Amino acid sequence: EIVLTQSPATLSLSPGERATLSCRASQSVSSSLMWYQQKPGQAPRLLIYDASIRATGIPARFSGSGSGTDFTLTISSLEPEDFAVYYCQHRSNWPLTFGGGTKVEIK
Amino acid sequence: QVQLVESGGGVVQPGRSLRLSCAASGFSFTGYGFHWVRQAPGKGLEWVAVIWYDGSNKFYADSVKGRFTISRDNSKNTVYLEMNNLRADDTSVYYCTRDIAVGVFDWWGQGALVTVSS
Repeated sequence: EIVLTQSPATLSLSPGERATLSCRASQSVSSSLMWYQQKPGQAPRLLIYDASIRATGIPARFSGSGSGTDFTLTISSLEPEDFAVYYCQHRSNWPLTFGGGTKVEIK
Repeated sequence: QVQLVESGGGVVQPGRSLRLSCAASGFSFTGYGFHWVRQAPGKGLEWVAVIWYDGSNKFYADSVKGRFTISRDNSKNTVYLEMNNLRADDTSVYYCTRDIAVGVFDWWGQGALVTVSS
């Protein structure tokens, strides 16, 4: 099973600041890495798939990069609605697994 | 518009069974695979199971293999998760998700809470 490790666990930032979230895989997942956003009481929402492709309707301030074992989700300028928990997930093989999440909170 | 609506959650005793349903609408059901993903209270996400668009393939997480069964009824646009021999650590919100590219979850239901407790 591929283990995904997200860091940091919590990121405290102010609106307008840049957020950089990391996801590291225990073995190569090529570009088969997704990012989801989850707000309290809501289902997760797909942001990025296959490392760098924005899902339909996702604003351009969200971008993904990386391949192999190291991946980054960048939010270029935080909006108030971006404070949430972010999860990475791979689809390289079975079983699919998620990272433990990074909470982006208001500083 | 795309909708996935889970039902069938509730409180169940350890060792008992429960069946979740996921009713899909707003798109061509037979063109998509579906997954179940769960989230224990206050915890992260855990993938549970997948069924191919035509039902030809199914995969399960080790934690539920042999106890849970995923199925679909294309005549009813519904996906099911039959859960047997439930344990306390199965307590979670169970989400039904649509698959757009084998492991990419582009649409999620609102979730169904399953609580396993005596």
